[in-house]
Amino acid sequence: NAGVTQTPKFQVLKTGQSMTLQCAQDMNHNSMYWYRQDPGMGLRLIYYSASEGTTDKGEVPNGYNVSRLNKREFSLRLESAAPSQTSVYFCASSPQPHSPSTSYTFGSGTRLTVV
Amino acid sequence: KNQVEQSPQSLIILEGKNCTLQCNYTVSPFSNLRWYKQDTGRGPVSLTIMTFSENTKSNGRYTATLDADTKQSSLHITASQLSDSASYICVVTAERGANNLFFGTGTRLTVIP
Repeated sequence: NAGVTQTPKFQVLKTGQSMTLQCAQDMNHNSMYWYRQDPGMGLRLIYYSASEGTTDKGEVPNGYNVSRLNKREFSLRLESAAPSQTSVYFCASSPQPHSPSTSYTFGSGTRLTVV
Repeated sequence: KNQVEQSPQSLIILEGKNCTLQCNYTVSPFSNLRWYKQDTGRGPVSLTIMTFSENTKSNGRYTATLDADTKQSSLHITASQLSDSASYICVVTAERGANNLFFGTGTRLTVIP
């Protein structure tokens, strides 16, 4: 089925460890996004890529890096995980960047726990 | 400050009953408002999208309303089913800005037999 695929679905890290969350979309969308979802808060934008070859910070970028590997793939890296990064991470994509009328497709999420 | 507030935080209803979820926002300049359904362990899925000029939009048993003057929206679910159990998230888009999506915290709906 067409959509946004995230891996892994679950991950437990120790403080200080690093890992990369993977995201791929097969809808030929230009733009991709990484959000985090925490209890009692709305989704918050970490980083986004308006088009292949570009990346920009969102609302909460500290502690993260991203790579737009190609048009399909957008990865999120935690270089030194901290307990404050325990969250559910969602990747999303859209045909165009931030157009008010654009539609967004979300992946199923990665539940990350940092102990 | 751009904010989206939803109420109630959680709701439990009997199967077959109707319910209404509320969304108030202060996002400006306003572009559109979307309601998403998020099943447990899944990503949000769009239910409806409404622009400034639209008052009502339906998607099956889901009906969203928008009052742009009072900056309020509601999502009405008719004849609820067990599969309606999910979180419902209100998302308001601003006309401008790189980070122009503002998410509510959601209403957790549980439908019981």
